[in-house]
Amino acid sequence: AQKVTQAQTEISVVEKEDVTLDCVYETRDTTYYLFWYKQPPSGELVFLIRRNSFDEQNEISGRYSWNFQKSTSSFNFTITASQVVDSAVYFCALSEGNYGQNFVFGPGTRLSVLP
Amino acid sequence: EADIYQTPRYLVIGTGKKITLECSQTMGHDKMYWYQQDPGMELHLIHYSYGVNSTEKGDLSSESTVSRIRTEHFPLTLESARPSHTSQYLCASSEHLTGGRYGYTFGSGTRLTVV
Repeated sequence: AQKVTQAQTEISVVEKEDVTLDCVYETRDTTYYLFWYKQPPSGELVFLIRRNSFDEQNEISGRYSWNFQKSTSSFNFTITASQVVDSAVYFCALSEGNYGQNFVFGPGTRLSVLP
Repeated sequence: EADIYQTPRYLVIGTGKKITLECSQTMGHDKMYWYQQDPGMELHLIHYSYGVNSTEKGDLSSESTVSRIRTEHFPLTLESARPSHTSQYLCASSEHLTGGRYGYTFGSGTRLTVV
């Protein structure tokens, strides 16, 4: 069965520090999709990125970057020079291409960026 | 600008009342979903739909029911609300089961409190 693990329950950093959120997944499929979502205190879920299993190229978007490594089944998310507005719960999610009927979300990591 | 709308945003009701949480999307997505989430905690899929007249139960057992009479509308109903139903309910839609290019699009959620 598909599974997503986010071992870090809560992380606190001081503003301008870099922080990496870990995501490890399990799947039996060779075609799958990985996602990161941000949930600020207001409650909505904001889509950040989608990667498919055939594209291991790392991606950078402003202060955000993602490191996808199939060899370790990881899809880690790094925020560079963190800001208070980055404080939120971040969810990693997995969807299988052939067998998945819906997303499997990880338990989330609560990030607090202190001024 | 939201493409998926949930109303109400907040709701406080008494035990035993019947309630319907509304969810509408303007993207023409066939796939729609309801998640239940305690604040900042894991998301649990309670219902999903592949299209009009299609509804399925999710991973987490729920006393709620759903209907899908129109593509754009996926309401969730609780016939008799109880304090154990207090939670946040998130509606989502997607182009594909695997999430499509932008993954699932989530509404802002309804925070339900049953007193």
